[in-house]
Amino acid sequence: GQNIDQPTEMTATEGAIVQINCTYQTSGFNGLFWYQQHAGEAPTFLSYNVLDGLEEKGRFSSFLSRSKGYSYLLLKELQMKDSASYLCAVRDKAGTALIFGKGTTLSVSS
Amino acid sequence: DGGITQSPKYLFRKEGQNVTLSCEQNLNHDAMYWYRQDPGQGLRLIYYSQIVNDFQKGDIAEGYSVSREKKESFPLTVTSAQKNPTAFYLCASSIDQGANTEAFFGQGTRLTVV
Repeated sequence: GQNIDQPTEMTATEGAIVQINCTYQTSGFNGLFWYQQHAGEAPTFLSYNVLDGLEEKGRFSSFLSRSKGYSYLLLKELQMKDSASYLCAVRDKAGTALIFGKGTTLSVSS
Repeated sequence: DGGITQSPKYLFRKEGQNVTLSCEQNLNHDAMYWYRQDPGQGLRLIYYSQIVNDFQKGDIAEGYSVSREKKESFPLTVTSAQKNPTAFYLCASSIDQGANTEAFFGQGTRLTVV
């Protein structure tokens, strides 16, 4: 079966760094995506990994290890507006839809 | 402005009635998707379409139907057979379903069945 696991909730303070982990067991692998979703709104695309290693995009970075079925999203210099749910999604093979984890709700406090 | 439009944002229906949720995109994307989101459940795939006049069932297709008569439109009908229809419904599209193509989401329709 297909399974994507993330922690349900995390808390952090403004200015800090937080790492959100995602592990996956899927029948194949054709890319891993991270999305941000504020309450009641649409998910917005943050990053994409298909090869092992780190992809950096401003304050956000995402890492992938295909052999371990593991990814993380790293958020630096946290701001209050980063309080949101972070969704990990995998495309297991070309021509199919993304499979999403249940999301991690991040609360940033001052 | 290019994007995906879902309407309406909030929808109320009586139990036993069918209801159709609209999804339109002007991004010229081939692939379109419908997901359902419940608290604590993440996004679950209902149906997806790779091309006009073709669509495939997702993990929770029972009680739902779709059509893809035009490239820009992918309406979802929630039928009376769907046992628990109250949820947040998200439509998405991507250029195609290749490996590195992200999905872009509409603003969602929150359906409440009473």
